Amino acid sequence: DSGVTQTPKHLITATGQRVTLRCSPRSGDLSVYWYQQSLDQGLQFLIQYYNGEERAKGNILERFSAQQFPDLHSELNLSSLELGDSALYFCASSPPAGGRNEQFFGPGTRLTVL
Amino acid sequence: GENVEQHPSTLSVQEGDSAVIKCTYSDSASNYFPWYKQELGKGPQLIIDIRSNVGEKKDQRIAVTLNKTAKHFSLHITETQPEDSAVYFCAATLTSGTYKYIFGTGTRLKVLA
Repeated sequence: DSGVTQTPKHLITATGQRVTLRCSPRSGDLSVYWYQQSLDQGLQFLIQYYNGEERAKGNILERFSAQQFPDLHSELNLSSLELGDSALYFCASSPPAGGRNEQFFGPGTRLTVL
Repeated sequence: GENVEQHPSTLSVQEGDSAVIKCTYSDSASNYFPWYKQELGKGPQLIIDIRSNVGEKKDQRIAVTLNKTAKHFSLHITETQPEDSAVYFCAATLTSGTYKYIFGTGTRLKVLA
């Protein structure tokens, strides 16, 4: 158990809908990262937040957005869903800057868009 | 742009044999290289990492080597066991700034009993 929690574990929805994925980082970690893993694909970096502020953006679609709240949990919002958005979505957290920068991954949310 | 190539994409070995997975990174500023193991239905789990000021690191049956000049790093698993079967990902990142990881495309390792 990495200490990172993600809810829900599974999500099934229809095209055009909007969903919200939730992530709680490990205690003490300030950074949250979101990754997308499509079938038989690697992990694609989407976005990073550090202590409530956006730090880096990767290949994140405009239909997707994220935020990190004062209690450091993060939400990834996916809107106008398309079939191709079906994937595993992972969040990871890492210790504050200056410490070791390994990322600890949650168990993921499997999104299925029908 | 930033890129990490990983080979092979699949690897089958007999139990007890060694397995080697290789990665090449493009950003010469990268200085931290973790390896993750992902079992079916689970999130990636860090198994070993190496920093650019070190050429080799070992942890029991797992070792990682780094060649900064060639921008190559490799994962070596000795005396493989069936429970080593999983998908392995390498990554490269900086220990400053965004810390975002650039992942390789993964290697599916199958250890045959």
